[in-house]
Amino acid sequence: EAQVTQNPRYLITVTGKKLTVTCSQNMNHEYMSWYRQDPGLGLRQIYYSMNVEVTDKGDVPEGYKVSRKEKRNFPLILESPSPNQTSLYFCASSGTSGGRDEQFFGPGTRLTVL
Amino acid sequence: DQQVKQNSPSLSVQEGRISILNCDYTNSMFDYFLWYKKYPAEGPTFLISISSIKDKNEDGRFTVFLNKSAKHLSLHIVPSQPGDSAVYFCAASRGAQKLVFGQGTRLTINP
Repeated sequence: EAQVTQNPRYLITVTGKKLTVTCSQNMNHEYMSWYRQDPGLGLRQIYYSMNVEVTDKGDVPEGYKVSRKEKRNFPLILESPSPNQTSLYFCASSGTSGGRDEQFFGPGTRLTVL
Repeated sequence: DQQVKQNSPSLSVQEGRISILNCDYTNSMFDYFLWYKKYPAEGPTFLISISSIKDKNEDGRFTVFLNKSAKHLSLHIVPSQPGDSAVYFCAASRGAQKLVFGQGTRLTINP
């Protein structure tokens, strides 16, 4: 089944404790992206990747890191989480273009930083 | 600044009637527009899209209209069904790299 998977689905952590949210897709997509969803703000892009070893900042990259060492994986890293990073996070992938192709989203990771 | 705006946080429509969801954008360079639908505890799923060279695109019960001069697009659902109850996000892009999403509108279809 074609899908985007994220782990964990739920995470409660404390300020400053490094964490990684994994994202994997099995559709051989070149484009992958991370978004956060907050009430009243919709979905905002954090980082995106056009292909392996190619990443770029989205609209709200502060406090986040990403890497794209393999085509299928695109982990999101919070080196020192803060309470303002409490949010619902989505990973997405699409064929070649994030702006033209349909993006397939994962089920979401709900993160709470205390 | 919010480049893509959905000014109605929620909308309630009776089953069988037309649902109209609206979206405004400020960046005249946007040339491709999409609608995504999101159910609780799931990721958004693609619904329908339109290029700026068109003013209308239909797919079954869903039609998207684009008014470039007003920088406005709308999604029409006819007839509305209970399974259409969800949050709808409009999104816009300029070129190949990224999408900019609106805040979302929660649609509730009442039986």
